[in-house]
Amino acid sequence: DTEVTQTPKHLVMGMTNKKSLKCEQHMGHRAMYWYKQKAKKPPELMFVYSYEKLSINESVPSRFSPECPNSSLLNLHLHALQPEDSALYLCASSQDWGPNEKLFFGSGTQLSVL
Amino acid sequence: AQSVAQPEDQVNVAEGNPLTVKCTYSVSGNPYLFWYVQYPNRGLQFLLKYITGDNLVKGSYGFEAEFNKSQTSFHLKKPSALVSDSALYFCAVRDLYGGSQGNLIFGKGTKLSVKP
Repeated sequence: DTEVTQTPKHLVMGMTNKKSLKCEQHMGHRAMYWYKQKAKKPPELMFVYSYEKLSINESVPSRFSPECPNSSLLNLHLHALQPEDSALYLCASSQDWGPNEKLFFGSGTQLSVL
Repeated sequence: AQSVAQPEDQVNVAEGNPLTVKCTYSVSGNPYLFWYVQYPNRGLQFLLKYITGDNLVKGSYGFEAEFNKSQTSFHLKKPSALVSDSALYFCAVRDLYGGSQGNLIFGKGTKLSVKP
């Protein structure tokens, strides 16, 4: 199994809603990532978990809350989002947290905030 | 700070012709360079990487890239393009010295269009 699975594929939410994005991998990878990608732009790193501990938070607003329940799962909890948060949210994983590691990406969750 | 530049927003190639997607880098120290491809409505897929060693790196789907230290370039190449190669291509470098050590810094992307 060489896949990173993200659910849901699409999500529409209002600014007062609370929702969660889910990511799962069964490759035994110990580093997991959340990226945000606006249309026709490169992905931007949000969070990195290494061995289930938050290693990097790229100054992301608190309305985004990551969680890593175990080594296979990564969640992103959303609350009180703004319309400008509408984007493709990509989860990725790598064998370890290191400079020569290649990332495996999921297909993403296309989020629209109304 | 580490960075990569992709000077072309779009590259158009006829099927069967060779293709080149350009990337230049600016790093402190030795670069860790990557190419990823993104098909419509999909996540990114790893193509190849250069860490050290042979300057010509071979990757997935028949792609290769040449690391040129004097020109600080890492151009992606393929001898014969396929229509199915049409996608968005990202060059990336590991940020080993910035605030997020180890983060992948992506270029803006180059859209490759291969016509039959």
